Amino acid sequence: EVQLVESGGGLVQPGGSLRLSCAASGFTFSSYWMHWVRQAPGKGLVWVSRINSDGSATNYADSVKGRFTISRDNAKNTLYLQMNSLRAEDTAVYYCARATYGDNSGRALDYWGQGTLATVSS
Amino acid sequence: DIQMTQSPSSLSASVGDRVTITCRASQSISSYLNWYQQKPGKAPKLLIYAASSLQSGVPSRFSGSGSGTDFTLTISSLQPEDFATYYCQQTYSTPRTFGQGTNVEIK
Repeated sequence: EVQLVESGGGLVQPGGSLRLSCAASGFTFSSYWMHWVRQAPGKGLVWVSRINSDGSATNYADSVKGRFTISRDNAKNTLYLQMNSLRAEDTAVYYCARATYGDNSGRALDYWGQGTLATVSS
Repeated sequence: DIQMTQSPSSLSASVGDRVTITCRASQSISSYLNWYQQKPGKAPKLLIYAASSLQSGVPSRFSGSGSGTDFTLTISSLQPEDFATYYCQQTYSTPRTFGQGTNVEIK
């Protein structure tokens, strides 16, 4: 069974840092691109970042570029999101998600974790 | 960036109704369009990928269509468990933008 379990959320002051983790199991983690998506309280889904299967390529939303870093450790089956210089507007539930691949896959996000809440407040 | 616009933002419907949600992209995205369902306090769930393919385990009352810039999600006969928020997402280019969501409520 595919499982994605996020951790690392919590309360942090503006300007602070958090490191989110996403532990993967039930599939060959090193074969899949992975994404982070966030959702502010009461708001919609916002794409944050993605990383390719071997960690050599990354992309970010403009709103987090230069402040957030996505990475992965395929030996530990774990995805990370290092969040620095946090702002109040980064307050959200952060989800990790697995991306499908192959012809006609739509590159969709087929499995999601339960999410971890990061709250940025003084 | 590609903008995704869903309509309506919310709708009220009854059990058994046929429901259609539309999603428009600001430029052509071929068939790189996926639909998700989200219930309160839960993670999103993939319903439709590549515009019209039904994800494994999803009931056949859900269907998707479209290509280019205009897409639709249809629920042929709304069931009680279908009351939720639905999002489209384009995966043609990064950033992988989502629509703003459509909240389907009970009439």
